Amino acid sequence: DIVMTQSPDSLAVSLGERATINCKSSQSVLYRSKNKNYLGWYQQKPGQPPKLLIYWASTREFGVPDRFSGSGTGTDFTLTISSLQAEDVAVYYCHQYYSTPHTFGQGTKLEIK
Amino acid sequence: EVQLVESGGGLVQPGGSLKLSCAVSGFTFSDSAINWVRQASGKGLEWIGLIRSAANNYATPYAASVKGRFTISRDDSKNMAYLQMNSLKTEDTAVYYCTRQERGDYGYDYWGQGTLVTVSS
Repeated sequence: DIVMTQSPDSLAVSLGERATINCKSSQSVLYRSKNKNYLGWYQQKPGQPPKLLIYWASTREFGVPDRFSGSGTGTDFTLTISSLQAEDVAVYYCHQYYSTPHTFGQGTKLEIK
Repeated sequence: EVQLVESGGGLVQPGGSLKLSCAVSGFTFSDSAINWVRQASGKGLEWIGLIRSAANNYATPYAASVKGRFTISRDDSKNMAYLQMNSLKTEDTAVYYCTRQERGDYGYDYWGQGTLVTVSS
């Protein structure tokens, strides 16, 4: 199974500042023949289901603000929020769907400093 | 509008069974895979399994934690997916979500609101 490890577990950032969340997979999730990383990022607010922000490691889902960006390839990935807004307070998860069992990171709780 | 709506959750005793349903609308259900994901209270997301489309032979891989106890199925004529849960354990207590995966290389772009399953005596 591919183990997804996020860091940090929690993060406090001031409004307007940059937030960075890291995710490392125990095996590569790069599908070489398509040159795509099967890696997604989700945002989950209390009482709500997760919301897909990023797929293919760096492609924003339709309607996601451009302050959210994803980067990385192979086994190391990053979610960046360029200028934190109050509505970004949530738990963020990385997710590999390269192979079954699909697995999620443990989550990173993002708060306002 | 794409919608997924889970139902069938509730309280069940250890060792019991429960069948969850996922009603979908707003997209071509038969072309998409459906994944089931659960989340215990205050915990992270756990993938349970998925059912692929007819074009992919309705393949159903499962997580080790539920293999042999849970069964995923679908009825494309009714736009429904199901999660049959047998031999339930207290550790199966969670909110259960069904999610759409339109293609194998996409993430889970639509989620239901979830249904709570509580396994307790």
